[in-house]
Parts: sequence; C-alpha cells; structure tokens
Amino acid sequence: NAGVMQNPRHLVRRRGQEARLRCSPMKGHSHVYWYRQLPEEGLKFMVYLQKENIIDESGMPKERFSAEFPKEGPSILRIQQVVRGDSAAYFCASSPVVAETQYFGPGTRLLVL
Amino acid sequence: QKEVEQNSGPLSVPEGAIASLNCTYSDRVSQSFFWYRQYSGKSPELIMSIYSNGDKEDGRFTAQLNKASQYVSLLIRDSQPSDSATYLCAVNRNSGYSTLTFGKGTMLLVSP
Repeated sequence: NAGVMQNPRHLVRRRGQEARLRCSPMKGHSHVYWYRQLPEEGLKFMVYLQKENIIDESGMPKERFSAEFPKEGPSILRIQQVVRGDSAAYFCASSPVVAETQYFGPGTRLLVL
Repeated sequence: QKEVEQNSGPLSVPEGAIASLNCTYSDRVSQSFFWYRQYSGKSPELIMSIYSNGDKEDGRFTAQLNKASQYVSLLIRDSQPSDSATYLCAVNRNSGYSTLTFGKGTMLLVSP
C-alpha cells in the first residue's frame, strides 16, 4: 500500500514565478492536509480539503496561495508570484476519515531564488 | 502563550537510558494528541496517538496524557542512537475534524 506521494520533491523557482505542488493521498484516504515548515520553525497548518471541497483554509495566506483537491487527480497547492519568504518544506498529509490520524508525505522543498 | 510548547533541547541521553519528552498545550478543548518523529531533512513519522488520560504503551514508547494539567509526554525506554531525531508534539483542537497544531519539537540525541 503506497504511502502519501508528493511531487516534485525539490522545486527551484525565481521570484515572481509560480510554484505547483502535488499530493496524492494514501489509497482509501479522502482527507488531505497541507502544512508548511519554515527553517527552524515548527510545522504550520495551511489548509484541509476533501474531494472538491475546501473545509478549512484558516492557515493559508490570503494572497498568492490557493489549494484544490479535484474529483480526479492529486491535490494541488499553488503559490503565485513566489517570494524568497516562501522557501520552505511543504508537507501533505492524509487521513482515511474525519478526525483520524494523519500520515505525512515526503514533502516538497521549495527554494525561491 | 504559545498553543503547543516543547523544550527545544537538545536532550542528550546515553544509549540504554530512558528519554523523557514533554509537551504542554494551552487549549483545554483539545481532543487528541500525537507524537511524531522527524529525522533531519525527512517528513514527520507518527509514533503514538493518545486520546484519554493515563498511559498508553507501544513497544519501547509510552505516551502519557493529563488533560487537567494540559500536559502530554513521551517516554522512550532503552534509547538507541537511531532514536536521535526531533520529536514533535501535535494537538487536535477540533472535535468535528482534524487540523493539527504542532510544537516546535524537541531534539533528542542518544549517544552510544
């Protein structure tokens, strides 16, 4: 049973470009969560999605960031017009049902030059 | 007051000793509690979950929860060098769904 998959594992962007991070949850999991880990900082919740619905985006910056989890395909976290402060590790987690244990993917390390 | 607090460490213990990691949380309505282990450059890996007051044991790991004191801990018996990592305490405040609030983690160093 494959775990949570994320790609790319490493992403380099120049300031002003767009970054697209993808997450495929574990088989049978329909709940996806995105977290960001800044250097020397803890993991911070960004957004919680179910298929075709954003349930909680209270941790997501109001501008430039968006997330989706379409009926078919992976969840996507999109960062427009990236800035150097967006450089971080972005982790996706999934759970089988609501309020169940979350399992993390390997993360995408974003570096903005 | 930070929502989930952990001592950043490092906590240094010799091989074979018991390592004790502590975590306090501020929100009394918190429902469930988790310990994750994170090796440098890797993703968090679930070690234990605990939902009720008391102790929960799983192999060399024991999680302890005291909701009255808003305190959760992780004991690692017979510590091994491979246990050297950062241990993250996470708290779920919502009863309807799960969004985790993490502490910054405690770095554990187990010396041979």
